[in-house]
Amino acid sequence: DAKTTQPNSMESNEEEPVHLPCNHSTISGTDYIHWYRQLPSQGPEYVIHGLTSNVNNRMASLAIAEDRKSSTLILHRATLRDAAVYYCILSPSDMRFGAGTRLTVKP
Amino acid sequence: SQTIHQWPATLVQPVGSPLSLECTVEGTSNPNLYWYRQAAGRGLQLLFYSVGIGQISSEVPQNLSASRPQDRQFILSSKKLLLSDSGFYLCAWTLGGIREKLFFGSGTQLSVL
Repeated sequence: DAKTTQPNSMESNEEEPVHLPCNHSTISGTDYIHWYRQLPSQGPEYVIHGLTSNVNNRMASLAIAEDRKSSTLILHRATLRDAAVYYCILSPSDMRFGAGTRLTVKP
Repeated sequence: SQTIHQWPATLVQPVGSPLSLECTVEGTSNPNLYWYRQAAGRGLQLLFYSVGIGQISSEVPQNLSASRPQDRQFILSSKKLLLSDSGFYLCAWTLGGIREKLFFGSGTQLSVL
């Protein structure tokens, strides 16, 4: 099994912020936390990654707990195009994807 | 720029037939290569990965095998397909550094009938 655990599904309203959690209690000191998202019938696409500090890019923000055992992907204003399955993985120690979180965005 | 090619996009094969899926990466050298499978409505299962020519690591014992005959070529094969081999197969690559992100191909939807 993958070393990360995520809720199976979450819902959000359009234009509202979304916080997607990921637990990775067995993370090693050299692991980066990577987030990807997958639209139907497509391969996953990279969203963001980080090591210890919070990270921001044009797609999202990543908040990493001080003990690094959990992280949260933040979509500041969800749009309908953000509806996807979101995955977190630990690179390089575990390149396996769990079931991810299916995000539904309601108009 | 780097690109990844995966083909075919869709494939329908009878049970017991052989399989060969090919993935090639352009614009980079010595990538780490991965094969994933996704059953309908499920997450991605890591099948194989390779850090170099001829080097294959298998994550799950199964009816499939992988080979890397060239630096940027990764092949997924089966001698006899099973119904349970149906799924969405994805090839991916990274440059191998711990910060490097995965780049995925467009996938092959395999239906075994």
